[in-house]
Amino acid sequence: DTAVSQTPKYLVTQMGNDKSIKCEQNLGHDTMYWYKQDSKKFLKIMFSYNNKELIINETVPNRFSPKSPDKAHLNLHINSLELGDSAVYFCASSQRGQETQYFGPGTRLLVL
Amino acid sequence: AQSVAQPEDQVNVAEGNPLTVKCTYSVSGNPYLFWYVQYPNRGLQFLLKYITGDNLVKGSYGFEAEFNKSQTSFHLKKPSALVSDSALYFCAVRDVTNDYKLSFGAGTTVTVRA
Repeated sequence: DTAVSQTPKYLVTQMGNDKSIKCEQNLGHDTMYWYKQDSKKFLKIMFSYNNKELIINETVPNRFSPKSPDKAHLNLHINSLELGDSAVYFCASSQRGQETQYFGPGTRLLVL
Repeated sequence: AQSVAQPEDQVNVAEGNPLTVKCTYSVSGNPYLFWYVQYPNRGLQFLLKYITGDNLVKGSYGFEAEFNKSQTSFHLKKPSALVSDSALYFCAVRDVTNDYKLSFGAGTTVTVRA
């Protein structure tokens, strides 16, 4: 009965590689988000989609590209990975008019 | 721009004692405030929120928070802490110009000792 799920849970890769993280929610929400949590646990919004439309696009390098094939899925593709991309990436979802966001378990990315 | 501040990096309490995690906010207009908890190697879990109405908000796991407009604070409280409450706690505020955007505080690590 996982509400917001992410795959993979762990991702270890080399600098310069391209990788994707997938997120799915079964809550019927119309909005999804990507957050980055750095090594100091600081949490920052990266992107958000509402009904497959990009509504938040923070100052993130263009190596990061979100894609929302439908309301229940939001993927994050990262090109040319750098050491500084190492972090935990959280997906979240919410329903417009309901302020609460629900988070996935996170994807721990380590770039070597 | 709106923001929240959590002045304490760490809070240590003994089990059974009251727990308070502090949060102050800066918002132009009426604030929408939230508390989330993150257990080790887990995602964030929603605890409670203040939108409007009663200044004392009750949430999950016996937590409550008091909205204080004059002090611009939204402190999280629990009357009797449990060892299982040990976690990282985040205060957050909703952006007044973008309903979807939350700004999080830096987090407070709570350790409850047996």
